[in-house]
Amino acid sequence: QGQLVQSGAEVKKPGASVKVSCKASGFTFTTYYMHWVRQAPGQGLEWVGWINPKTGDTNYAQKFQGRITMTRDTSINTAYMELTSLISDDTAVYYCARSIFGWSWFDPWGQGTLVTVSS
Amino acid sequence: DIVMTQTPLSLSVTPGQPASISCKSSQSLLHSGGKTYLYWYLQRPGQSPHLLMYEVSNRVSGVPDRFSGSGSGTDFTLKISRVEAEDVGVYYCMQSIQLPLTFGGGTKVEIK
Repeated sequence: QGQLVQSGAEVKKPGASVKVSCKASGFTFTTYYMHWVRQAPGQGLEWVGWINPKTGDTNYAQKFQGRITMTRDTSINTAYMELTSLISDDTAVYYCARSIFGWSWFDPWGQGTLVTVSS
Repeated sequence: DIVMTQTPLSLSVTPGQPASISCKSSQSLLHSGGKTYLYWYLQRPGQSPHLLMYEVSNRVSGVPDRFSGSGSGTDFTLKISRVEAEDVGVYYCMQSIQLPLTFGGGTKVEIK
């Protein structure tokens, strides 16, 4: 089955960076991919990218290239997403979600982390 | 990028009545291996999304059989045979045949 527990809400100023964590439990962390999906207030879902926790390989949506870094710490079964040069449009709930492959369905999802970018 | 278009934007349904949501993709979601990479998620108010259906028509364990998925190629449908109060929320389709993974804009289901 499995569970994903994310870090708490963040408030950041424009230009700053944010790092969100996603701790996995109940399954073998390195046998799945971890995706990040974001949802701006009142909006739909937007895929950000994935990391393969076993190899550290990543794949990012083009719009985030250069600003996004996904990492993992296999010793504590935790994935991280860092977004730099924040702008107000980055204000969103960021979800981590597990998949079997980089191209398969997401199940389960984390509870979400609200990142607010405001001066 | 593959564009996923959902209709309608919203639905108001009397309990016990059926509901249907359409999802159209700008490219075929049929993989050469024979699987179709189309999924459905439900996001209840204030909650994270959760998976309802994978590869068009496979219900996730625990999803009531009043939910069914159908379609092929670029046209897909999620049907609820008899809507219940717990079905309210926003339904999203998603494709994974090509990166970037993309979602439909969502269909909000409300109870009359």
